[in-house]
Amino acid sequence: GAVVSQHPSRVICKSGTSVKIECRSLDFQATTMFWYRQFPKQSLMLMATSNEGSKATYEQGVEKDKFLINHASLTLSTLTVTSAHPEDSSFYICSARDRALRLEQYFGPGTRLTVT
Amino acid sequence: GESVGLHLPTLSVQEGDNSIINCAYSNSASDYFIWYKQESGKGPQFIIDIRSNMDKRQGQRVTVLLNKTVKHLSLQIAATQPGDSAVYFCAEGGSSNTGKLIFGQGTTLQVKP
Repeated sequence: GAVVSQHPSRVICKSGTSVKIECRSLDFQATTMFWYRQFPKQSLMLMATSNEGSKATYEQGVEKDKFLINHASLTLSTLTVTSAHPEDSSFYICSARDRALRLEQYFGPGTRLTVT
Repeated sequence: GESVGLHLPTLSVQEGDNSIINCAYSNSASDYFIWYKQESGKGPQFIIDIRSNMDKRQGQRVTVLLNKTVKHLSLQIAATQPGDSAVYFCAEGGSSNTGKLIFGQGTTLQVKP
């Protein structure tokens, strides 16, 4: 149980284009999902908190117009990187919190984004 | 600001030995702490967690110790195996109910056969 998937696992896009990453909780309902970014040999940095049915809350320094987050259902959140640039190349990881369990949080396998 | 840090960036141990990975946190109001294992190119994998009303919790081959007095967290892995080689992160679940986690910088565990 408690499986979180991400799609795609890897994506290469050209500078200036947009790319969408999906995060799904497969066997539980997630009222809250989180999006992280991880650069090589660094820790996970929280980008935003996504709550089902409401606007995402972004961490300081994260551009909300560049990283669009939509949490349309209790099992799906999407992150769209708009007008991507090479510096957006990173490993993007989502996590989901089971609405039935207050603290437990489950992570997806990550999406490797490369912007050329 | 809030931060969670690890003392050592890399830990190298012999297969079969016990490993101890340490972590310091700064928010004394934090009430939930988690250890994650991350293998290359993968997402973090939950290992064990502990709440602030406890000072020790054991799992299968792993033990987490929490010392609130000095704001220190440790992960002990018994009989370390090659499959334990990975980066280990401690994370702090803050005192609010937002569910946000603050991750430490990570310790690379290398297990020598």
